[in-house]
Amino acid sequence: QKEVEQNSGPLSVPEGAIASLNCTYSDRGSQSFFWYRQYSGKSPELIMFIYSNGDKEDGRFTAQLNKASQYVSLLIRDSQPSDSATYLCAVGPRNTGFQKLVFGTGTRLLVSP
Amino acid sequence: DAGITQSPRYKITETGRQVTLMCHQTWSHSYMFWYRQDLGHGLRLIYYSAAADITDKGEVPDGYVVSRSKTENFPLTLESATRSQTSVYFCASSESVGSHEQYFGPGTRLTVT
Repeated sequence: QKEVEQNSGPLSVPEGAIASLNCTYSDRGSQSFFWYRQYSGKSPELIMFIYSNGDKEDGRFTAQLNKASQYVSLLIRDSQPSDSATYLCAVGPRNTGFQKLVFGTGTRLLVSP
Repeated sequence: DAGITQSPRYKITETGRQVTLMCHQTWSHSYMFWYRQDLGHGLRLIYYSAAADITDKGEVPDGYVVSRSKTENFPLTLESATRSQTSVYFCASSESVGSHEQYFGPGTRLTVT
């Protein structure tokens, strides 16, 4: 079992719809959770992070964390064609004294006009 | 504010040659990281550094060497390049022990022929 799993997609949604991206992780002691957006040929860009169970909203983005079920999700409201990218989930394991993150392989999102 | 930069952005080298990828950050972040990104594998940690003169191995360190004599620089050296090291290499930095958020440089696309 991979440590961090994401559906590779592509996830196709029409412009204006809600895109829902999901990520599951295997280490129950994980403490921190991140979503990165990566456009083709570019570097990952941090867009959301969440540390506590529940929802965290930032503009059109909402991160949801459920530690009991070991999943984290990213909702993108009012999706725009410019949101088309690969979204990487990253998980910080239980505190071992350094900040190693484990990344999923990403979900490709396509937003059609 | 330059943030985090990498050089060169593109590099073609031959098998067996030594090549060094440079990473420079202007934020005075304590932590720095080197990742490689390959199709199907996602981002994999090569080496990381918690401070000047403190480095440690990540998930895939074989064939790579790092140093960190100054806080702002974290070069990655391929001692004898192999075709399997053809990849996109990303450098990242993070502020402190309490912050797990990592910020990425623009990447170096390395081709080993």
